[in-house]
Amino acid sequence: TQLLEQSPQFLSIQEGENLTVYCNSSSVFSSLQWYRQEPGEGPVLLVTVVTGGEVKKLKRLTFQFGDARKDSSLHITAAQPGDTGLYLCAGRSTIQGAQKLVFGQGTRLTINP
Amino acid sequence: DSGVTQTPKHLITATGQRVTLRCSPRSGDLSVYWYQQSLDQGLQFLIQYYNGEERAKGNILERFSAQQFPDLHSELNLSSLELGDSALYFCASSGFGTDTQYFGPGTRLTVL
Repeated sequence: TQLLEQSPQFLSIQEGENLTVYCNSSSVFSSLQWYRQEPGEGPVLLVTVVTGGEVKKLKRLTFQFGDARKDSSLHITAAQPGDTGLYLCAGRSTIQGAQKLVFGQGTRLTINP
Repeated sequence: DSGVTQTPKHLITATGQRVTLRCSPRSGDLSVYWYQQSLDQGLQFLIQYYNGEERAKGNILERFSAQQFPDLHSELNLSSLELGDSALYFCASSGFGTDTQYFGPGTRLTVL
């Protein structure tokens, strides 16, 4: 069974601070995605990383895929209240010819004004 | 708005009952995925359909079944409901040649 573990599960910080969320697995994934989910809505894709060691930036968000494609991190600089939400990582792998997304349990982030 | 619609938004029912959740994918998307999200287990993949045929199965209970119709909408049927089936159920769709999934707003199922 492929598992993705996210840490921390909960994070509450003040506006303007920096933070990093981690997504770790013992399995190799062909790609890894990060989603953000707000209350009452479905997850929304933020980024997909494919290559080991890849770094992608989305404004104040920096995503990194581990060299071995087993882990990833999300770094937010100067967090704002609008960043509040549930952040989910999801690894893509091919099992018995079918591609599946395996989700982590999420990091619930609260940015306090 | 992802373009994926799900109905109903909320559903309250009793143990032992059967319910049907409906999903309409984005226009042109052939793949539909169903996920269950509960507080203690995160987002769990249930099943995928592609152009009417089952493509992949995840942690879907035997009491649950799904189908995708010729117009590409999908239904998830949950029967003999138990308290532990209370959760958010999401549908997602993706287009040919892409692995980007677009999620609907979900159906919140409460089993009393």
